[in-house]
Amino acid sequence: TQLLEQSPQFLSIQEGENLTVYCNSSSVFSSLQWYRQEPGEGPVLLVTVVTGGEVKKLKRLTFQFGDARKDSSLHITAAQPGDTGLYLCAGASGTYKYIFGTGTRLKVLA
Amino acid sequence: ETGVTQTPRHLVMGMTNKKSLKCEQHLGHNAMYWYKQSAKKPLELMFVYSLEERVENNSVPSRFSPECPNSSHLFLHLHTLQPEDSALYLCASSQGSILAGTYYEQYFGPGTRLTVT
Repeated sequence: TQLLEQSPQFLSIQEGENLTVYCNSSSVFSSLQWYRQEPGEGPVLLVTVVTGGEVKKLKRLTFQFGDARKDSSLHITAAQPGDTGLYLCAGASGTYKYIFGTGTRLKVLA
Repeated sequence: ETGVTQTPRHLVMGMTNKKSLKCEQHLGHNAMYWYKQSAKKPLELMFVYSLEERVENNSVPSRFSPECPNSSHLFLHLHTLQPEDSALYLCASSQGSILAGTYYEQYFGPGTRLTVT
């Protein structure tokens, strides 16, 4: 069974701090996506990484795909209260299958 | 607004009721998905339709019955549910399948919060 473990599960930080969220698996994925989900809403796609070692930036968010395409990280610089939410990674596996991670719940305090 | 809408947003039903969830996508995609999101569990893929044909059925109990009349609409028919079926049901769509060397991104609707009493 393919699993994507995310760490930490919960994170509460002050505005302005930096943080990193990890997404790890023993399986190889053809691509990996990061989502943010707010309470009562569906996940919103942030980025897709495809190539091993790839780094993508989205304003204060930096995403990296591991060289072996088994893991990924999300780094947020100078976190803001608007970054609060549930962060999910999802690996593409098989023809239509996406395996979702266990999620990291982030709270940024003003 | 992601281009994927779901109705209703909230649903409370008894175990003997029959109800349906509706999903509509306005993105021109040809694959649609149903996911279940329960507390403290990763998103679980339930069904996938590609070009209106079911291509994935993830060992879902028969009390959940999907229907895809065309590439823009997806339904999930519910009957004789159990309290443990209470969850957020999410619909998603993508442009197509995941083929070697290509990828297609999923876009999610806001979900239907289902409570079974």
